[in-house]
Amino acid sequence: EPEVTQTPSHQVTQMGQEVILRCVPISNHLYFYWYRQILGQKVEFLVSFYNNEISEKSEIFDDQFSVERPDGSNFTLKIRSTKLEDSAMYFCASSLDRGALYSNQPQHFGDGTRLSIL
Amino acid sequence: GQQLNQSPQSMFIQEGEDVSMNCTSSSIFNTWLWYKQDPGEGPVLLIALYKAGELTSNGRLTAQFGITRKDSFLNISASIPSDVGIYFCAGRESQKLVFGQGTRLTINP
Repeated sequence: EPEVTQTPSHQVTQMGQEVILRCVPISNHLYFYWYRQILGQKVEFLVSFYNNEISEKSEIFDDQFSVERPDGSNFTLKIRSTKLEDSAMYFCASSLDRGALYSNQPQHFGDGTRLSIL
Repeated sequence: GQQLNQSPQSMFIQEGEDVSMNCTSSSIFNTWLWYKQDPGEGPVLLIALYKAGELTSNGRLTAQFGITRKDSFLNISASIPSDVGIYFCAGRESQKLVFGQGTRLTINP
């Protein structure tokens, strides 16, 4: 069964450094998402991306964050100047469509990248 | 934004017992989903619900979309050790998923 893959599985970065998290969504999917999960807390939405542009973002997704689809297969999340509170699991997800009413195309998640900021 | 209240926060049961957990919201969602998360892994979709009142099964799992579209429950029958993990409900709001706080299921053999 096709799956979302994320690299690296664990990223350790010094505070203030830039970090890029990488994702390969399911190949025929059109909508891409980033979520984060701070240790012991619930999963929180960051951003959705469709047709090479951001379609929705949360208040967490401020100017230090950016997303890009640099080629036909990868989807990246960049954090420009990392802070201690950016330490979390970051999950990429993809879906075939945006989830119209009665749609059977939900979001599928990767196994995440654990980001540790020192 | 919308908030989901998921309960219970944790459950400790014996193998073979049935499990029930639920989510409620103060606002309407058009889609409810249930995910399971194992340690070090991402959420895995268990069941998706799209119509109010819909009852859907996936093996030993059964979930229902409340008629008011403000709640959902997940039942697991005859629990087995591999059911251990954290179960999340999620409601779809526009393009994003809003997750509950999770129910941690522990099973004693």
